[in-house]
Amino acid sequence: DIQMTQSPSTLSASVGDSVTFTCRASQTIYTFLNWYQQKPGKAPKLLIYATSDLESGVPSRFSGTGSGTHFTLTISDVQPEDFATYYCQQSFTTPITFGHGTRLEIK
Amino acid sequence: QVQLQESGPGLVKPSGTLSLTCAVSGGSISSGYYWTWVRQAPGKGLEWIGETSDSGSPNYNPSLQSRVAISLDHSKRLLSLSLTSVTAADTAVYYCARGTGSYRPFDFWGQGSLVAVSS
Repeated sequence: DIQMTQSPSTLSASVGDSVTFTCRASQTIYTFLNWYQQKPGKAPKLLIYATSDLESGVPSRFSGTGSGTHFTLTISDVQPEDFATYYCQQSFTTPITFGHGTRLEIK
Repeated sequence: QVQLQESGPGLVKPSGTLSLTCAVSGGSISSGYYWTWVRQAPGKGLEWIGETSDSGSPNYNPSLQSRVAISLDHSKRLLSLSLTSVTAADTAVYYCARGTGSYRPFDFWGQGSLVAVSS
């Protein structure tokens, strides 16, 4: 299985900050990387697919980069509704695997 | 707008079978989508259970393969999950989701169904 490692496990930020989440794959997944946001008691929400494509309706302050084994998700100008847990997911091969998540908390 | 709605028992006894369905409304149920189950144990991350599509046989997580079955009833627009010989470790929120395209992002999700395994 491809292991997905997210860092850090928790990120503290203030409204208006720019934050970057990191996701690493245990082997190359090219650009088969998707990002999700999950709030407590809710289903995950797709933010970015294919490493850098913004899902329809997702604010442009979210952006993704990377390829191979190293990927990042950046939120510029963090808003109050962005405090949540973020998961990366590889879809290069099955079993599809997720990272363990990074929780974005209010500083 | 595509909507997914899980349903099924909230409590299953150890060694029993967990059965859930997911009603799909809106949009096409065919056309190359991957109809998927994902679960999340309390306070934990997301685990892919498996998927089915029109293109071939269901595909399962090897960690669950001996116990899981996923099927899709096109006429009823119903996705089903069966997990046998359950233990407390199978206690989780179970989500159905739709994967789309070659990058297979899960663009639509159900609200989730909490299933507890307990006697």
